[in-house]
Amino acid sequence: EDKVVQSPLSLVVHEGDTVTLNCSYEVTNFRSLLWYKQEKKAPTFLFMLTSSGIEKKSGRLSSILDKKELFSILNITATQTGDSAIYLCALSRLVFGKGTRLSVIA
Amino acid sequence: DVKVTQSSRYLVKRTGEKVFLECVQDMDHENMFWYRQDPGLGLRLIYFSYDVKMKEKGDIPEGYSVSREKKERFSLILESASTNQTSMYLCASSFSGWGETQYFGPGTRLLVL
Repeated sequence: EDKVVQSPLSLVVHEGDTVTLNCSYEVTNFRSLLWYKQEKKAPTFLFMLTSSGIEKKSGRLSSILDKKELFSILNITATQTGDSAIYLCALSRLVFGKGTRLSVIA
Repeated sequence: DVKVTQSSRYLVKRTGEKVFLECVQDMDHENMFWYRQDPGLGLRLIYFSYDVKMKEKGDIPEGYSVSREKKERFSLILESASTNQTSMYLCASSFSGWGETQYFGPGTRLLVL
């Protein structure tokens, strides 16, 4: 059974839309939750979340962790075609979700 | 800038061959990891190492072994390659401690015929 579940598996939006990617998990004893963006090559780091309720922001991207309800969300506002990628959620360093494939069309 | 390099970007091998995938990092990271990535299955941890000569099994270690003789180098070995080991292999490294950011190499796409 998957310990980290990402939803949706795939998403197609138009440029300018706002998207919310979800990551829910079952493991409770972990130090941090990480978000990665993967384009054609290896994943690149986006955010590390360790505390519940504190939003992290980087440009048009933001993320928050809810340790009580066991989930995290990644928001992307005013999406651009360059945001098209697979977004991966991971618990600490060992457990990855299957990813959400985001496609942004012009 | 952290740099993680992998010895090959693409590799084609025959069933039964011994395959070595090498990973080198230049940031003096204690932890190093090998993952494989397959469509629909996401990233799965094969082995990781938290120190020289130390190794731990991940989720799918069967058919693989690893070697970490030097801190900067972590090798993944397929003793006898099989077609179901055709995959993208990703190496990563991080500083010690749980939850530290991992830095990934560019990946090796292995095809076993």
